[in-house]
Amino acid sequence: NAGVTQTPKFQVLKTGQSMTLQCAQDMNHEYMSWYRQDPGMGLRLIHYSVGAGITDQGEVPNGYNVSRSTTEDFPLRLLSAAPSQTSVYFCASSYSGQRTAFNEQFFGPGTRLTVL
Amino acid sequence: GNSVTQMEGPVTLSEEAFLTINCTYTATGYPSLFWYVQYPGEGLQLLLKATKADDKGSNKGFEATYRKETTSFHLEKGSVQVSDSAVYFCALSETNFGNEKLTFGTGTRLTIIP
Repeated sequence: NAGVTQTPKFQVLKTGQSMTLQCAQDMNHEYMSWYRQDPGMGLRLIHYSVGAGITDQGEVPNGYNVSRSTTEDFPLRLLSAAPSQTSVYFCASSYSGQRTAFNEQFFGPGTRLTVL
Repeated sequence: GNSVTQMEGPVTLSEEAFLTINCTYTATGYPSLFWYVQYPGEGLQLLLKATKADDKGSNKGFEATYRKETTSFHLEKGSVQVSDSAVYFCALSETNFGNEKLTFGTGTRLTIIP
């Protein structure tokens, strides 16, 4: 199993550009999510999905879009990049609460994004 | 809402010293509690977990006990090594079915010097 994979590892954008961060998992997990990590703030939830075709907003969703057309993939789209979106982005996945007694999440290696 | 308050860092210790990183939480219901570790340049890895009061999670010499009465989940290790240098995150999740959102603390950077 490859686990949770993310591409690209690094990206530099100019203000106003758009891009998609890719996330894929091969563990047949129902639940997938995107976090951003900023110094002194820990990780904050951007969007999440409990299954294909279902997405919902997390704590900091503004400026980001997601879709979940398959169980395996959960891309994060930046519509018009802003310097405030400079961060490290982590994708995570897990089984749903109906299958397990606890909610262990598996994280990808992250994408470091800089917006100039 | 849920929140996790974690000991401010950075923390610097000598090899073989005793480690404690404090973590307290606020939550409705009965959350599950976790410690995640992030080594330099990597993503987060689950270090240990506890799913109910008085449970003790342990892994790689680290331990933490779920204390409902003090709403705490402090991380401890009796003798740290240089390889333990990393950022440690305390986190909680609600155990409602279909809701696996994690709430993280701010992280504590630990540096172990030989």
